[in-house]
Amino acid sequence: AQKVTQAQTEISVVEKEDVTLDCVYETRDTTYYLFWYKQPPSGELVFLIRRNSFDEQNEISGRYSWNFQKSTSSFNFTITASQVVDSAVYFCALSERETSGSRLTFGEGTQLTVNP
Amino acid sequence: EAQVTQNPRYLITVTGKKLTVTCSQNMNHEYMSWYRQDPGLGLRQIYYSMNVEVTDKGDVPEGYKVSRKEKRNFPLILESPSPNQTPLYFCASTWVAGYNEQFFGPGTRLTVL
Repeated sequence: AQKVTQAQTEISVVEKEDVTLDCVYETRDTTYYLFWYKQPPSGELVFLIRRNSFDEQNEISGRYSWNFQKSTSSFNFTITASQVVDSAVYFCALSERETSGSRLTFGEGTQLTVNP
Repeated sequence: EAQVTQNPRYLITVTGKKLTVTCSQNMNHEYMSWYRQDPGLGLRQIYYSMNVEVTDKGDVPEGYKVSRKEKRNFPLILESPSPNQTPLYFCASTWVAGYNEQFFGPGTRLTVL
């Protein structure tokens, strides 16, 4: 069965610090997809990135970067030079190709607080 | 504008009173699903639908029903709400494939007294 673990329940940093959010997943499928979503205090879910299991290239988008390592079943998310607006709950999620439809299995979420 | 809408956004009801939360998408997606978000547990799938008249249970279906009579709509029915059914509810839609991002509605905050 698929599982996603975000061991960091809460992280608090000071503005301009770099911060890494950890995500570890379990799956028996060889084809799967990993996602990160952001949930700001307003409550909506904002899609950040998708990565498929065959693409281990790291990705950078502005201050955001993602490190995907199949060898350790991890898909970590780093925010460089954090800002107060980055304060949110961040969810890592997994979808297996063979699973019924497009079901997402979410991690428990990491509450990130960036203090001025 | 491509979007998923949910109604109501906020609702206060009493134990045992049947209620329906509507969900509609305008992207012609085949796949729709409902998730509940409980503090510290992330989001868990309640029910999903892969197309019209095709629905199935997710991880936590107890106490809920769904129907999919039209492609764009996927209402969630709480037959007899109880105080433990007050998480945040999200509807989502996407294309059937697994690799597509899911589009989420804004969420419904339910309070059962």
